[in-house]
Amino acid sequence: AQKITQTQPGMFVQEKEAVTLDCTYDTSDPSYGLFWYKQPSSGEMIFLIYQGSYDQQNATEGRYSLNFQKARKSANLVISASQLGDSAMYFCAMREGIRSGSARQLTFGSGTQLTVLP
Amino acid sequence: DVKVTQSSRYLVKRTGEKVFLECVQDMDHENMFWYRQDPGLGLRLIYFSYDVKMKEKGDIPEGYSVSREKKERFSLILESASTNQTSMYLCASRPTKQMDRGRSDTQYFGPGTRLTVL
Repeated sequence: AQKITQTQPGMFVQEKEAVTLDCTYDTSDPSYGLFWYKQPSSGEMIFLIYQGSYDQQNATEGRYSLNFQKARKSANLVISASQLGDSAMYFCAMREGIRSGSARQLTFGSGTQLTVLP
Repeated sequence: DVKVTQSSRYLVKRTGEKVFLECVQDMDHENMFWYRQDPGLGLRLIYFSYDVKMKEKGDIPEGYSVSREKKERFSLILESASTNQTSMYLCASRPTKQMDRGRSDTQYFGPGTRLTVL
C-alpha cells in the first residue's frame, strides 16, 4: 500500500488566489513527521513546512500552512496568495519513528505539479 | 547554511560503464541518503548511511552500491550502468539531532544529477 498519496498530478491556480494541495498518508506508527518540499524546474528540493504527529497546532510558515487532520490521515498544503514563482512540483513526505533519532528515510508521494497563471 | 553538493548536474554514460556519483555535505551531518526521482513515482530511496562506513539498503538498492569513507562524502556507484537507470539522482543529508524543532528531521538536498544511460 502507498504510504503517501498525492492524487493531483497537476493543478492550476490564478495568481493571488489560494490553493490546496492534497496529501494523505498511511502509518501505524504513532510518532511520525510530515513534510512538504518544493522542487522548481531547476531541480533542487526546497523544504517548506513540517508537522509532527504530536503537534497540537497546524504548522504555518509564511504563506504556507499545513491542514493537518490526524483522524483522516491527511496533511494538505495550503498556499495563500499564489505567486508566479510558486509554479513548481510539490512533494509530500513522511518519516516514521520521528522520536527515535534513527536515520529512517523519508517516504515521498508522487508529487503535484502546480502552475500559477498570471 | 547547509550546503550539499553533487559532482555533476548532467551526466551521459554508455550501457555497461561504471558510474560514480559523488555527494559532499559541509555541515558534519551523520546521515546521508541517495534517492532517484522518476516522473509519477516521486523520490525513492536507494541507500542511506548513518555513519562513516555504515550503510543500509533503501527501497530500490538493486544495481547500485555506495561508499562512505569520510563523514562528508557519500558516493553512489552504478557497477554496470543500464538504460533503466536513466534518472535524476538526488543526495540528501541530515543531522541526527536537529536544534530547531520546527524543522525537525528536515533533510537537506543537493541540486541533483540528471543521468542518461545510452
